[in-house]
Amino acid sequence: NAGVIQTPRHKVTGKGQEATLWCEPISGHSAVFWYRQTIVQGLEFLTYFRNQAPIDDSGMPKERFSAQMPNQSHSTLKIQSTQPQDSAVYLCASSLNWGANTGQLYFGEGSKLTVL
Amino acid sequence: GDSVTQMQGQVTLSEDDFLFINCTYSTTWYPTLFWYVQYPGEGPQLLLKVTTANNKGISRGFEATYDKGTTSFHLQKASVQESDSAVYYCVLGSNYQLIWGSGTKLIIKP
Repeated sequence: NAGVIQTPRHKVTGKGQEATLWCEPISGHSAVFWYRQTIVQGLEFLTYFRNQAPIDDSGMPKERFSAQMPNQSHSTLKIQSTQPQDSAVYLCASSLNWGANTGQLYFGEGSKLTVL
Repeated sequence: GDSVTQMQGQVTLSEDDFLFINCTYSTTWYPTLFWYVQYPGEGPQLLLKVTTANNKGISRGFEATYDKGTTSFHLQKASVQESDSAVYYCVLGSNYQLIWGSGTKLIIKP
């Protein structure tokens, strides 16, 4: 069991550039989540997919951020026109049988984005 | 809306000290309470889950319970070790959402 795989582990971009982060969930897990983590804000929910369908994107900034799950083996988080305040660790998690009362999230090690 | 409050931002202990971290929650649903632990350079991982009030969850020497009357839940360990240094999150599972506390950083003094 390889766990949730996130790439790249570190990414540095210049202000205004685009950043794409990848996540490979654990095989067979039906739910995939994206979170953002900073010292100031802590852990913030961004969005989640179930069986590749977007279910809840209430945490996604309305502009510049988008997430997709084109197949069951990977999801992407894209940030357009990156800004210094987007600097954070972006965490992906997957869950086998998602339900808040039953499900366990398995997190990747995160992708640290630094916007200069 | 649902919420979780985790007041202790940082706890500093010596090895073999007793650990106690407390959170309060608010929800109109039937809650499940979780404790996640995050070690440096890693994502959070599930430590304990408690589905029934006053029942005890136990894992790796840690114990967790929640009290429906006071809407509080806590994590404790009788004797901490240096390897327990991490950030501990209390998490409320309610209505297909996870509500995360702000985290408690546990520092173990050498």
